[in-house]
Parts: sequence; C-alpha cells; structure tokens
Amino acid sequence: NAGVTQTPKFQVLKTGQSMTLQCAQDMNHEYMSWYRQDPGMGLRLIHYSVGAGITDQGEVPNGYNVSRSTTEDFPLRLLSAAPSQTSVYFCASRPRRGQSEQFFGPGTRLTVL
Amino acid sequence: AQSVAQPEDQVNVAEGNPLTVKCTYSVSGNPYLFWYVQYPNRGLQFLLKYITGDNLVKGSYGFEAEFNKSQTSFHLKKPSALVSDSALYFCAVRVLNRDDKIIFGKGTRLHILP
Repeated sequence: NAGVTQTPKFQVLKTGQSMTLQCAQDMNHEYMSWYRQDPGMGLRLIHYSVGAGITDQGEVPNGYNVSRSTTEDFPLRLLSAAPSQTSVYFCASRPRRGQSEQFFGPGTRLTVL
Repeated sequence: AQSVAQPEDQVNVAEGNPLTVKCTYSVSGNPYLFWYVQYPNRGLQFLLKYITGDNLVKGSYGFEAEFNKSQTSFHLKKPSALVSDSALYFCAVRVLNRDDKIIFGKGTRLHILP
C-alpha cells in the first residue's frame, strides 16, 4: 500500500493563479481531510469528506474548494491564490467507523508570491 | 466549543531525563485522544491513542501517555529522552458527534539537549 499520497511536494504560485493539490489514498478509507499547517497555529481543518459525493467545510474553508467523486481521491482547489495561503498542506484519511487513527500524506509546501 | 490545548510552545529536556509534553482538551462526551509526531520536513506520524480502558497507554518509540478524565488531560511521557526524540508533537481529539472531526492542538516543539 502506498498509503496517502500528495502531489506536488512543492509549488510556487503568483497571486491570482489557480491550482489543484492532489491527494489519493489506497486504503479504502471513507473519511478524508485537508489541513493547513502554519507556524504557531498547529493544524487547521480546511475541508473534509465522509465519503464519495459528500464534502463539508472545516475551520478555515475560505479560498478553497474540494470535491470527492471517488473514494480514493480528494483534490483541493485554490481558485485565486493569495499570499495568505502560503502554507504546508496535509491530506489525511481514516476509516469512517471504528477507532482508527488518521493517516497523513507527506505534505505540499505552497508559496504564493 | 471543542478544543485542544498544548500550553507549552517548547519543552527542553536533557538527554536521559524523563520528559512530559502536556495536553488538555475540552469536548463533550468521551473523546478519542491521539498523539502525533512530526520530524522536520515530514508528515505526521501516529504515536499512540486512548480510546477506553487503562488510563496509561503505550505507543511507538517508548512513548506513553496518561489519560486523566477529571483533569481532562492526556500528557505524553517518556522515561528517558533521546536526542532523536527532538521533533514537533501534536495532541489531537476526535469529537464523537455528527461531524466526527479530529481537532489538533497547536503543537509543542521538544528539544532534547545532549
């Protein structure tokens, strides 16, 4: 199993550009989440999904869109990048039921100039 | 509101000494509690979890954590620190409601001094 994979690892954008951060998992997990990590702020939940076709907003959803067309994939879209979106982004997945922990991807470091 | 607090931004411990990284939580009901570790330029790795049962749980790399319901705490401990334990540690709580989210603390940077 590859676990949770994220692409790209690094990205530099100019203000106003759009891009999609990819996330995929091969563990058949229903629950997937996107977090951003900023110094002194910990991990903040952006969006999450409890299964294919279902998404919901987390703590800091503004400026981001998500979709969940398959169980495996959960892309995060930045429609018009802003410097405030400079951060490290982590995707995570877990089974929806039971007592399992979350599994994290390696992260994407995004810089918006 | 549901929350997780890690009151120390940084903890410094001499190698070989015991270490404690503090975590308190505020959630309704009986939460699931987790500790994760993040090494530089890496993702988060799971260390241990408390679901139910024995208040002292053991995890990876010799770490353990003690659940205290009356103090709503879940402190991470290790009897003898190693320099390689230096990393960023996150406490997290799974809120068992309709949203079923996992909320993270802000993290504590652990420095083990040789």
